[in-house]
This record gives sequence, C-alpha cells and structure tokens, in this order.
Amino acid sequence: DTAVSQTPKYLVTQMGNDKSIKCEQNLGHDTMYWYKQDSKKFLKIMFSYNNKELIINETVPNRFSPKSPDKAHLNLHINSLELGDSAVYFCASSQPSRGQETQYFGPGTRLLVL
Amino acid sequence: QQPVQSPQAVILREGEDAVINCSSSKALYSVHWYRQKHGEAPVFLMILLKGGEQKGHEKISASFNEKKQQSSLYLTASQLSYSGTYFCGTESGSGNTGKLIFGQGTTLQVKP
Repeated sequence: DTAVSQTPKYLVTQMGNDKSIKCEQNLGHDTMYWYKQDSKKFLKIMFSYNNKELIINETVPNRFSPKSPDKAHLNLHINSLELGDSAVYFCASSQPSRGQETQYFGPGTRLLVL
Repeated sequence: QQPVQSPQAVILREGEDAVINCSSSKALYSVHWYRQKHGEAPVFLMILLKGGEQKGHEKISASFNEKKQQSSLYLTASQLSYSGTYFCGTESGSGNTGKLIFGQGTTLQVKP
C-alpha cells in the first residue's frame, strides 16, 4: 500500500502554462507538506497544512497556491510557470506529536518547464 | 538558517565506516536524518529529539549534542546499499511545527 502518493510523476510543460500536482496520504496524518528540490539537490520546504489549515508558508511566489480539501489531500497549483520552477516537488506527511514527527515523503513530481 | 553538513562527499570501500556531521547555528528541537537515492524520494532513517537518547538501528546510529547544536550520523561496516545522499533536517525552537530546514546533503558512495 502506498503511504504518500503523488500525481503526475512527470510533468513537462511550456512557460506561462498553469499546472497542478496532487498528493494523497493514507497514513492518517494530520500534517502535510510541499517541498521543492532543485537541480543541486537542495530540499526546501514551501508549505505545510495541519488538518486543512495553512501553518507554514515560506517565501514562495504567489503563483504557487496550495489547497487542502481534506486532511488526506494536499494539492499544489502553479500559475504562469517559469523556467526556474523546474524542479522535483515532493509531498510529505507527518503526525505532529512528540516522537511521531517523522515525515514520510511521496515519490516526487518531476516538473520541467520549457 | 540552513544547517551545514560535512563532508560534502565521501567514498568508501565496503566494510568501512563513515561519519556525517550536521551543524546548526540555531537552538534545535530535533534533528532528522534521511537518505535519498538517485531519482527517489528521501527515506527516513532516524529522528533525535532534544532531551532524547542516542538512536541507532542495525549499523546506522546517530547522536545529538544539544549544547553544540550538532548531530552526527555513524555508518559502520558500510554496505553497497548505503550509497546515496544523506540529509539532515533540523527543527528549531520549541518544535511541533514540522518545519524542517535541510542541510545541503552529503553524497556517500560505497564501492565493492
């Protein structure tokens, strides 16, 4: 059983387009995250939601908009895609209680903007 | 502030040991260690909490020096499967936010 899943796995698109990435977790966790990993492997947190409420919003262009319809899902919508948005986007989830903070990552979505 | 990992890269022969260090300038609540293989997602190894004990399983263990805001990951008798990039993720302050700041990664290559 897949714990954290993402779709699509690969996304190739033109500059200026709008695209969405979906994430689902079946671990029963309350918290979900979006990370961006660039070509130098730098892994940076973008957003975090706890039980559908936005709790972490890093310095991310407002072209990026997360949406959590329920605590098992966290989607990422990107408007007006730019070349610099090319990266691997990882979704993760965790349970925010002491000793349970392990974050489980999804397989990633490889976004290439041409 | 991003934690600093050292070394940036290490090459080992099977059976050799390695230590990867993670250092932060902030007071830490927790340190998380992950391994990522090429083209795959980061995989959790262990978490060390402020006030907690040194962790370990199989031949991989880690320590957390709260006074120095440093953590070290120990890989003993390395196996080919240990190859990958190791990341430490740190959470500052009182914790419970889940906000991990990751180091730049340490690439480990184990050769036969």
